[in-house]
Amino acid sequence: SAVISQKPSRDICQRGTSLTIQCQVDSQVTMMFWYRQQPGQSLTLIATANQGSEATYESGFVIDKFPISRPNLTFSTLTVSNMSPEDSSIYLCSVEHYRGYNEQFFGPGTRLTVL
Amino acid sequence: ELKVEQNPLFLSMQEGKNYTIYCNYSTTSDRLYWYRQDPGKSLESLFVLLSNGAVKQEGRLMASLDTKARLSTLHITAAVHDLSATYFCAVDIGPRGFGNEKLTFGTGTRLTIIP
Repeated sequence: SAVISQKPSRDICQRGTSLTIQCQVDSQVTMMFWYRQQPGQSLTLIATANQGSEATYESGFVIDKFPISRPNLTFSTLTVSNMSPEDSSIYLCSVEHYRGYNEQFFGPGTRLTVL
Repeated sequence: ELKVEQNPLFLSMQEGKNYTIYCNYSTTSDRLYWYRQDPGKSLESLFVLLSNGAVKQEGRLMASLDTKARLSTLHITAAVHDLSATYFCAVDIGPRGFGNEKLTFGTGTRLTIIP
């Protein structure tokens, strides 16, 4: 499995500001994913980020609110824009490994609190 | 829209007892994953189930998949305190093959093992 790191691990932000979360993997991967986990809830897929192409967003998530970059095969960023308290969540990146079957491995997450 | 439901949502059990967590999903899939999440931590991959009738075991945990019933179970045998965590199932409804994975997570089961 890959070693995945995220920065920051946690942050407290003011309403109306933006935060960029970084996800770094120790090996080259094609597919990276961004999830949101609201307090006490399950995980919801925000978008899929393929290197060299625009991210694909799930229903209910838009690029203006959650712009994603994927400049190379080991790195991605997710920005949470114009934050409101409803954006308070854990944001997790994951990577897909294919070994005859797909399997996702998750980063440690970024815990975001918006005041 | 795919729905993935787990029950129970909360489970408190004594050490040494057996119990089963159920994961029901609403559309056809033959790929199902189980993850464990400790408080404040990321997700750890437990099992990958890739066909009808698949059964995987690791220690006191055993997972199975019945694609016809759209049901997966996670069975805990002789529970110990270290198994206290939240357990998620996730269903992949993307086409088979590299780069197609699309996970929908269940609601989660918060398991507490009481000494």
